[in-house]
Amino acid sequence: DTGVSQDPRHKITKRGQNVTFRCDPISEHNRLYWYRQTLGQGPEFLTYFQNEAQLEKSRLLSDRFSAERPKGSFSTLEIQRTEQGDSAMYLCASSRDRLTYNEQFFGPGTRLTVL
Amino acid sequence: GQQLNQSPQSMFIQEGEDVSMNCTSSSIFNTWLWYKQDPGEGPVLLIALYKAGELTSNGRLTAQFGITRKDSFLNISASIPSDVGIYFCAGLSNFGNEKLTFGTGTRLTIIP
Repeated sequence: DTGVSQDPRHKITKRGQNVTFRCDPISEHNRLYWYRQTLGQGPEFLTYFQNEAQLEKSRLLSDRFSAERPKGSFSTLEIQRTEQGDSAMYLCASSRDRLTYNEQFFGPGTRLTVL
Repeated sequence: GQQLNQSPQSMFIQEGEDVSMNCTSSSIFNTWLWYKQDPGEGPVLLIALYKAGELTSNGRLTAQFGITRKDSFLNISASIPSDVGIYFCAGLSNFGNEKLTFGTGTRLTIIP
C-alpha cells in the first residue's frame, strides 16, 4: 500500500491565475474524494468520484472549480481565476468500493496560497 | 458547511496522562471515524466504528460509537510525545452517502 499521493505539496499563485492539482489514490481504491481545509477547521467535502463518474458535488464547489478523473485512476482539481478566499489545504482521499466499512484514507494535501 | 462539535477544543497535558475527547452531532451517523492530523499533513485514520455501542481499540487508543448514534468518544491512555496533534472525528450519515462530515478538532499539547 503506497498510500494516496498529491502533487504539488505547495502552490503559491497570484489572484486571477489558474491552478491544477493532482491526486493519485491507493491503487485498488475505486472511490476518490476531494476536501478543502481552512486554518483551524476540519476538512469540508467538495466532490467525489466512483471510478470515472463524478457522483456528488458540494455547494462549496463554485463554477470556477472543476474536477476530473478521466480513466478512473488519478484525479485533477482545477481552480480557474483564483481568489484569495481559495487559499486553503486541498485534500484528496480514496476508499474501496464497498457499501459498508468505507474508511477514507487521505493524502498529504496541497497547500494553496493565493496572493 | 456543517461541522460536528468536538470538545475540548484544546488540551494541555503531561506525558503519561490519559486523554478523553468527544464529538457530538444533532443528527444520526452510521459510521464514525477518528483521524489525527499533524501540521502541514493530511489526516491519518486511527479508528473506525460501524455499530452503535461499539467499543474499538487500536493500541493505546479506544473509541466508542455512542448508543444514540449522535456521539462518539476517543480515549488515549498513557500519552507520549508523538500523540501531539489535532484529532478530528468524522461521520457518515448513510451507507452510500460518501460525504464525511468532520468535527472542529481537538488540539492536544503535551507539556514537558
